[in-house]
Amino acid sequence: DGGITQSPKYLFRKEGQNVTLSCEQNLNHDAMYWYRQDPGQGLRLIYYSQIVNDFQKGDIAEGYSVSREKKESFPLTVTSAQKNPTAFYLCASRSQGGGTDTQYFGPGTRLTVL
Amino acid sequence: AQSVSQHNHHVILSEAASLELGCNYSYGGTVNLFWYVQYPGQHLQLLLKYFSGDPLVKGIKGFEAEFIKSKFSFNLRKPSVQWSDTAEYFCAVNKGNAGNMLTFGGGTRLMVKP
Repeated sequence: DGGITQSPKYLFRKEGQNVTLSCEQNLNHDAMYWYRQDPGQGLRLIYYSQIVNDFQKGDIAEGYSVSREKKESFPLTVTSAQKNPTAFYLCASRSQGGGTDTQYFGPGTRLTVL
Repeated sequence: AQSVSQHNHHVILSEAASLELGCNYSYGGTVNLFWYVQYPGQHLQLLLKYFSGDPLVKGIKGFEAEFIKSKFSFNLRKPSVQWSDTAEYFCAVNKGNAGNMLTFGGGTRLMVKP
């Protein structure tokens, strides 16, 4: 079954702790993205990766870190430096070629900082 | 900086009413345009997209959108909504830049009353 999976669905963490959100895709897509969704603000780009072992900061990268060691995986770490981490986090991967570049999204992880 | 505006934050309609959700963007060059939908408890799904050609684009579930370049707009329409269309709708723009990053509008929450 092809697609993008994110785990866990719900995550709770105490202030001052780092936490890592998982994102896996078996669509053979090169590019992957992390977005943060807050009510009324749409989705904002945190980090993206166009190819293995390469990634770039998005609009709101402060307090986050990523790695891209495998094509299928793009984990996001929310560090204690992120001032307002409670949010819904969405991972996406992009199909490309033929003029139809499109991003497809995973089900998301809702992070709550207690 | 590029921005995407969705002026209607909340829309309430009765079943069978017609729908038009506004989307305007600020970038003046070539763009790719998308509408995504997020049904309650589900992940973000692609409704339709425009890359080139006919500015009237038809998507899934009877939705369509019209790209009007002179107005920098990409409004979403549906002639007759159903209760199952209750969801949040996001407009997104891709400048076709190196990272193919999407800039999202703030979203419009649609409620359809049965």
